[in-house]
Amino acid sequence: AQSVTQLGSHVSVSEGALVLLRCNYSSSVPPYLFWYVQYPNQGLQLLLKYTSAATLVKGINGFEAEFKKSETSFHLTKPSAHMSDAAEYFCAVRFSGGYNKLIFGAGTRLAVHP
Amino acid sequence: DADVTQTPRNRITKTGKRIMLECSQTKGHDRMYWYRQDPGLGLRLIYYSFDVKDINKGEISDGYSVSRQAQAKFSLSLESAIPNQTALYFCATSEGPSGAQETQYFGPGTRLLVL
Repeated sequence: AQSVTQLGSHVSVSEGALVLLRCNYSSSVPPYLFWYVQYPNQGLQLLLKYTSAATLVKGINGFEAEFKKSETSFHLTKPSAHMSDAAEYFCAVRFSGGYNKLIFGAGTRLAVHP
Repeated sequence: DADVTQTPRNRITKTGKRIMLECSQTKGHDRMYWYRQDPGLGLRLIYYSFDVKDINKGEISDGYSVSRQAQAKFSLSLESAIPNQTALYFCATSEGPSGAQETQYFGPGTRLLVL
């Protein structure tokens, strides 16, 4: 079955440290991949998306993600965490075929401490 | 002003009551969606609509119904609310048809508590 997995429901980093949030999908066909961020008491906001144009995708707020077909992964990174990055992050996948369905991972809550 | 708005933002209701959650958008998008978010489960699709005359069930439609009153409005109803429908509900829109790379835009959410 097609699915998406986010490893780690909670990640904690120090301000200025590297942020790495993991996302893996299961599919024999490369899907379209998205990262969304949800700040407290807000809706989801698109960070970036992979649409097969380039494997390294740059998004807003200094985030980027790299699509690795061999690893079926689309991990989200940021070189230096800010306090304002504290939020919940969702990886979402859309597989080819069928209707326009987005499948979401369970989410990773990022905490940034001084 | 926000492109996708949801009302109410918070709602407390009792078991067995009928309630309606409303979504409006000014993005001019044809496609609209309702999701629910539960801790540790991410977002799950309840219903979606690709235009005013098109309504489709998502993966968890039981106990819910929807109405697409206009291109800009998409309402979600709980006919007889039950406690396990306590969740955060999101409306989303997308332009369509842009294929699999199409982006969905989300409203701020409605937090529902069923007692």
